[in-house]
Amino acid sequence: EAQVTQNPRYLITVTGKKLTVTCSQNMNHEYMSWYRQDPGLGLRQIYYSMNVEVTDKGDVPEGYKVSRKEKRNFPLILESPSPNQTSLYFCASSPRAHMGGYTFGSGTRLTVV
Amino acid sequence: GQNIDQPTEMTATEGAIVQINCTYQTSGFNGLFWYQQHAGEAPTFLSYNVLDGLEEKGRFSSFLSRSKGYSYLLLKELQMKDSASYLCAAPRNTDKLIFGTGTRLQVFP
Repeated sequence: EAQVTQNPRYLITVTGKKLTVTCSQNMNHEYMSWYRQDPGLGLRQIYYSMNVEVTDKGDVPEGYKVSRKEKRNFPLILESPSPNQTSLYFCASSPRAHMGGYTFGSGTRLTVV
Repeated sequence: GQNIDQPTEMTATEGAIVQINCTYQTSGFNGLFWYQQHAGEAPTFLSYNVLDGLEEKGRFSSFLSRSKGYSYLLLKELQMKDSASYLCAAPRNTDKLIFGTGTRLQVFP
């Protein structure tokens, strides 16, 4: 089944403890992206990747890192999480940028205390 | 800059028709997307318009007017399962997709 897999689905952590949210797609998509979703603010783009080894900042990149060493994986790294990073995170992919619509992962609900 | 505006909430009755509007301001237009998102779930792709006019896909249709910076999503024969948020999104340049804050639609019996 064609899908984007995110893990974990739920995570509660403490301020400053490094964490990684994994994202993997099995559709050979070139384009991958991370969004966070907050009430009243909608989906905001954190980082995106046009292809392997090519990443770039979205609108809210502060406090996040990403890597794209392989086509299928696009992990989101929070080196020192803070409470303002409590949010619902979505990974998404598409064949190329804007082509065919995004396929989204199931989401990761992160709470930083 | 880029701005996408859509109503925050709408209500409708089962079996009715509802139109959800979206206005956008963008440079370098490359089409407009609509997504559906049920509460607590991931958004799912509904439609993509790059040319002016109406595109129909079953009970859902999407309209685009590039000159007016305007789009709408039309839902016919509403069902309870159509209660969800509907997100309008437009590309910024060639590599970023910007979303509106979404319209929460509640369908009542």
